[in-house]
Amino acid sequence: AQSVAQPEDQVNVAEGNPLTVKCTYSVSGNPYLFWYVQYPNRGLQFLLKYITGDNLVKGSYGFEAEFNKSQTSFHLKKPSALVSDSALYFCAVNGGSGGYQKVTFGTGTKLQVIP
Amino acid sequence: EPEVTQTPSHQVTQMGQEVILRCVPISNHLYFYWYRQILGQKVEFLVSFYNNEISEKSEIFDDQFSVERPDGSNFTLKIRSTKLEDSAMYFCASGPLGVTEAFFGQGTRLTVV
Repeated sequence: AQSVAQPEDQVNVAEGNPLTVKCTYSVSGNPYLFWYVQYPNRGLQFLLKYITGDNLVKGSYGFEAEFNKSQTSFHLKKPSALVSDSALYFCAVNGGSGGYQKVTFGTGTKLQVIP
Repeated sequence: EPEVTQTPSHQVTQMGQEVILRCVPISNHLYFYWYRQILGQKVEFLVSFYNNEISEKSEIFDDQFSVERPDGSNFTLKIRSTKLEDSAMYFCASGPLGVTEAFFGQGTRLTVV
């Protein structure tokens, strides 16, 4: 079975500082990894994905994520946080024995950017 | 920019009643999904649909749930006899291929009273 862990329920960061939201995954085959963001009372917005290729992937709104196969991690990063980045972030995995059509989400990490 | 649309945005129903949640996926997408999220918690996979049939479903998707693509544009989730614990935000999503990202609608908040 595939699974995703987001070890931090909440991350606080000062505006202008770099941010990292952690994610580790478990799949039996090659993973397809995703980050989504959810603003209050809104749907999920796709940020970025890793399918294959370069381990550092860049996405929307200045976010990037680094795929680390040995550590089975896919941490979300941004060099300089904005107050408007405050939201709920979900890591998700698709692949392995779970089947390519079933995305499994993590429990989410609330990012709070402090002005 | 094309987007997934869901109606209604909020539905209140009495326990035991049937509800149908409606979705219009992005037009050239081939894979369709339903997820649910209870009170801002974990997003849970319900079902995926491809080529006019269910391709995968979770343990949550029991006999009281069904999906249908009645025409070329709509994708529906039916809950036959709602329970209090069905109260959640239900998200529809679609994707061009089975292995790429899915694009989510804004969700339907279902409240069972």
